[in-house]
Amino acid sequence: DQQVKQNSPSLSVQEGRISILNCDYTNSMFDYFLWYKKYPAEGPTFLISISSIKDKNEDGRFTVFLNKSAKHLSLHIVPSQPGDSAVYFCAGTSYGKLTFGQGTILTVHP
Amino acid sequence: DTGVSQDPRHKITKRGQNVTFRCDPISEHNRLYWYRQTLGQGPEFLTYFQNEAQLEKSRLLSDRFSAERPKGSFSTLEIQRTEQGDSAMYLCASSPPPGLAGLYEQFFGPGTRLTVL
Repeated sequence: DQQVKQNSPSLSVQEGRISILNCDYTNSMFDYFLWYKKYPAEGPTFLISISSIKDKNEDGRFTVFLNKSAKHLSLHIVPSQPGDSAVYFCAGTSYGKLTFGQGTILTVHP
Repeated sequence: DTGVSQDPRHKITKRGQNVTFRCDPISEHNRLYWYRQTLGQGPEFLTYFQNEAQLEKSRLLSDRFSAERPKGSFSTLEIQRTEQGDSAMYLCASSPPPGLAGLYEQFFGPGTRLTVL
């Protein structure tokens, strides 16, 4: 039972352009959604979160959008930088524990 | 604040052996979580503690797995009679009490990579 799905295994964008990473979920009990970034040989690093009662949250170059009716969220990175190249995971949380998607490999080309 | 640390970073063992991993959370974080990540997948929840109490265990956590957090500080995860299917990255995370918004923001350690031969 895959409660959180990231259907795009990889995404390639040019430096300076927008990166859009997508995530779908099935569990209506999630009260927050989070995005994490992961580099090889490191643990995931928290990027940004959004409450289930909001539809948008912005932090610098990162914006997360939540569409509850579609059970869909997306992470926008503008402008994309080569240092953003990593694996991005979305996760839903209820009572603290995280349920992750499979991840999307983002590659930003100079 | 040195972050979440895990030891060892890598462990190679033979099938049937027991292994133990340690996690040191960020000080004053009362919640500690264990996750397992296999290739091409996101981390999967295994168990979590609030202080020394183990509050939830995933059905992924077979009887061969046991976790402790004896004094509410560091935690250990033991796998008995390891199998090749146990090969994975084992991640530990900790979180402070939730803020006013109610979010338990989790901070992850670098993980322990287990290889069972």
